[in-house]
Amino acid sequence: GAVVSQHPSRVICKSGTSVKIECRSLDFQATTMFWYRQFPKQSLMLMATSNEGSKATYEQGVEKDKFLINHASLTLSTLTVTSAHPEDSSFYICSARDLRYNTDTQYFGPGTRLTVL
Amino acid sequence: GEDVEQSLFLSVREGDSSVINCTYTDSSSTYLYWYKQEPGAGLQLLTYIFSNMDMKQDQRLTVLLNKKDKHLSLRIADTQTGDSAIYFCAESILNGNKLVFGAGTILRVKS
Repeated sequence: GAVVSQHPSRVICKSGTSVKIECRSLDFQATTMFWYRQFPKQSLMLMATSNEGSKATYEQGVEKDKFLINHASLTLSTLTVTSAHPEDSSFYICSARDLRYNTDTQYFGPGTRLTVL
Repeated sequence: GEDVEQSLFLSVREGDSSVINCTYTDSSSTYLYWYKQEPGAGLQLLTYIFSNMDMKQDQRLTVLLNKKDKHLSLRIADTQTGDSAIYFCAESILNGNKLVFGAGTILRVKS
């Protein structure tokens, strides 16, 4: 398999502040990473596709100015939740696309629990 | 549009086999995946199957794919309490640029 890390694992912030979440592929390079959001007892909702060296592609209904994505290297993508509000509280999970060994798989990070007070 | 459906809950006794079923809609999917999620954690890739395969076995896990019926199943042999988790089926679409997930099946293993 492959290892993807996320940092921080848990963050609590006040309403109006911005929060940055990092996603790293530790043992492989990923030109494409994905950001998902998961509500309690629900499936994953894709927010955006992060492409190294280019702009992210956002899913319909996801505000790109609210959720800033930067994919500056082949092993790091960041998601910044700007001016966070309580409704942004959620579990954010990233994944990295692994195209080695003639396969196409996504490996997921452990997730970041965001709580906005 | 794309849709993946799974049964929501399965309860088995320790030592029995578990079978989790999934149906998908996109016939052009090249890969189909099974992920496991434990409480408060990310998704762990359990196994995947390429669309031109009918079956894949990996230790206690057996994946069956019926491409005609767009039906995927995951069999866990000798289910253990540590297998209790949510299992997500996912299909890749758009040449692998997107995964579509099912709602997840909660597997409860009773000792």
